[in-house]
Amino acid sequence: AQSVTQLDSQVPVFEEAPVELRCNYSSSVSVYLFWYVQYPNQGLQLLLKYLSGSTLVKGINGFEAEFNKSQTSFHLRKPSVHISDTAEYFCAVSEHAGGTSYGKLTFGQGTILTVHP
Amino acid sequence: EPEVTQTPSHQVTQMGQEVILRCVPISNHLYFYWYRQILGQKVEFLVSFYNNEISEKSEIFDDQFSVERPDGSNFTLKIRSTKLEDSAMYFCASSDGAADTQYFGPGTRLTVL
Repeated sequence: AQSVTQLDSQVPVFEEAPVELRCNYSSSVSVYLFWYVQYPNQGLQLLLKYLSGSTLVKGINGFEAEFNKSQTSFHLRKPSVHISDTAEYFCAVSEHAGGTSYGKLTFGQGTILTVHP
Repeated sequence: EPEVTQTPSHQVTQMGQEVILRCVPISNHLYFYWYRQILGQKVEFLVSFYNNEISEKSEIFDDQFSVERPDGSNFTLKIRSTKLEDSAMYFCASSDGAADTQYFGPGTRLTVL
């Protein structure tokens, strides 16, 4: 069974500083990888996803993530954060094998990013 | 932009009562999901639904839970006899394909007293 670990529960950072939110996963088969963001009182919104191809994926709001198969990681980065990036970020995986996936997402425990002025 | 909607936003119920959580997925989507998040814990998969049947369910999704797509627009989660430990935020999601982006609703906060 797959599992996802987000190594930091909270990340405080100053505005315009770079940030990296770490995510590691475990799976015995191939995976698709996702980062979602949750703003207060809202649902989960997709930031970016890796399905195949280039290991560096770019998402909305200036975020990007790099898939590293050997380290089973999918860390999220942004070179310069804004106050509005304050939110909770979730890494998630879904397994696929033989071209079959029913899309079940397994989430990490979330990282609260707080951007200070 | 199309979005997933959920009602109610907050449901308070007594232990042992039945509750139905409602979701309206994005209209042309084919895959439907329920997840839940107990306060302070991870978002957990409950069930996926495709082609009018459950395609996968977790260990959490026992006989007390059921899902239904009663018409072309709604997708419901029923808990027959609620327990205190069912208190959580329940999220509905839908997608166009199994590997495609899942669009989440804002959630229903269920409080079981």
